Amino acid sequence: EPEVTQTPSHQVTQMGQEVILRCVPISNHLYFYWYRQILGQKVEFLVSFYNNEISEKSEIFDDQFSVERPDGSNFTLKIRSTKLEDSAMYFCASRTEGNQPQHFGDGTRLSIL
Amino acid sequence: QKEVEQNSGPLSVPEGAIASLNCTYSDRGSQSFFWYRQYSGKSPELIMSIYSNGDKEDGRFTAQLNKASQYVSLLIRDSQPSDSATYLCALYHNAGNMLTFGGGTRLMVKP
Repeated sequence: EPEVTQTPSHQVTQMGQEVILRCVPISNHLYFYWYRQILGQKVEFLVSFYNNEISEKSEIFDDQFSVERPDGSNFTLKIRSTKLEDSAMYFCASRTEGNQPQHFGDGTRLSIL
Repeated sequence: QKEVEQNSGPLSVPEGAIASLNCTYSDRGSQSFFWYRQYSGKSPELIMSIYSNGDKEDGRFTAQLNKASQYVSLLIRDSQPSDSATYLCALYHNAGNMLTFGGGTRLMVKP
């Protein structure tokens, strides 16, 4: 069964550094998402992406964050000047057209020191 | 503001029993509803989707939706220890193109 893949599985970074989290969505999917989950808290929406542009973003997704689809398969989340509070699990998800469910990758655990 | 509320639990049931998980939501415009299972340290895994009022069954799982009462539930029949996880209720609103998650209910199935 096709799946969303994310790399790396764990990223440790010094505060103030930039990180790029990578995702390969399911190949025939058209909508792409990033969510995060701080330990012990809810899964929170960050951003959705469709037709090579952001379609929706949350209050969390400020100027520190950016997304890109650099080629036909990858979808990336860049976090500039990381802060301690950016430590969380980051999940990528994708779906097809209509009201089909989103499928999640295994996540990247981001630890900011 | 789209809010999704779930009892955090833990909900403890004996093996073989029926587990009943509930979710309420505030946004009447919500159009699609999903149940995800999340094991500790893992990603959400889709269990059920439901789009219209009534019941939808898939194996041991039954999702129930009542839009008038803004209520979604998940029944797990013949609960197994491997069902022990946190169950996340999520809703989707077309205008927002995002999932809004509840905080999840932790289910413990005891052998």
